[in-house]
Amino acid sequence: DIQMTQSPSSLSASVGDRVTITCQASQDIAKYLNWYQQKPGKAPKLLIYDTSNLETGVPSRFSGSGSGTDFTFTIRSLQPEDVATYYCQQYHDLPQFGPGTKVEIK
Amino acid sequence: QEQLVQSGAEVKKPGASVKVSCKASGFTFTSYQMYWVRQAPGQGLEWMGMINLSVGSTTYIQKFQGRVTMTRDTSTSTVYMELGSLRSEDTAVYYCARGRRSGNYVGAFNIWGPGTMVTVSS
Repeated sequence: DIQMTQSPSSLSASVGDRVTITCQASQDIAKYLNWYQQKPGKAPKLLIYDTSNLETGVPSRFSGSGSGTDFTFTIRSLQPEDVATYYCQQYHDLPQFGPGTKVEIK
Repeated sequence: QEQLVQSGAEVKKPGASVKVSCKASGFTFTSYQMYWVRQAPGQGLEWMGMINLSVGSTTYIQKFQGRVTMTRDTSTSTVYMELGSLRSEDTAVYYCARGRRSGNYVGAFNIWGPGTMVTVSS
C-alpha cells in the first residue's frame, strides 16, 4: 500500500501570509495527486486535481505542484475563509488520503 | 445542478447492519463511478470503495471486504452502501462522492454528498 504523509499537521498564519503544505507518497505516484479543503461539519471540496490543475470556481490563490513522491500545496495570500483542514489524495493506486493539515488564523 | 443527497442519520447496535443511500441528480447517472468515503469523529478521510454505476461492478479496500456491499438502482439514480457487523469503530460520517470525469475514472472527487452520520452504540 502507498502511504501518504502531510506536514505540518497544523499551522497558524496571519491573513495575507503565504502558506505551504507538503504531501509525500511512499512511492512514485507520478502526478496522480489531488487536494481537498474541508471546513468543520462540511463535506470536502476539491481544490486541485492532477497535482496542479485548479478546479472550476476555486480562487487562484490556491495552487499545487510536484511529481513523483513530493508535492506542495500553496495558499498565496491566506484569507479568513481559508480556515479549514486540507487533505492530499493519491490515485496512482486505489485512492488514499493523507492525514490532513489544519490551517488556522493567527 | 449536479447534486448528491444522502439519507439521514442512523443509530445502530453493535453487530447490526446499516444501509446508507445517496440519490444523484443533475447528471447522467450511469456515466460515472461513485465512491464512498468515511470520517470518524475528529479523524481524517478514509476511502472505502467504489461502484461503477453503469455495470454495477465494485471495488472495496481490503479492510472492508466481506462487510461492505455497494449497489445501485438505475431507475431511481440511487446508490447504496451497506456495512454489516457494525462495531463502535464504525461510528463515522459516511460520504458518497462522484468522480470529476465520466467512465472508468478513478481520480478526483468533485461532487460530494452532505454526509450521513452513523453511530454504533449499545
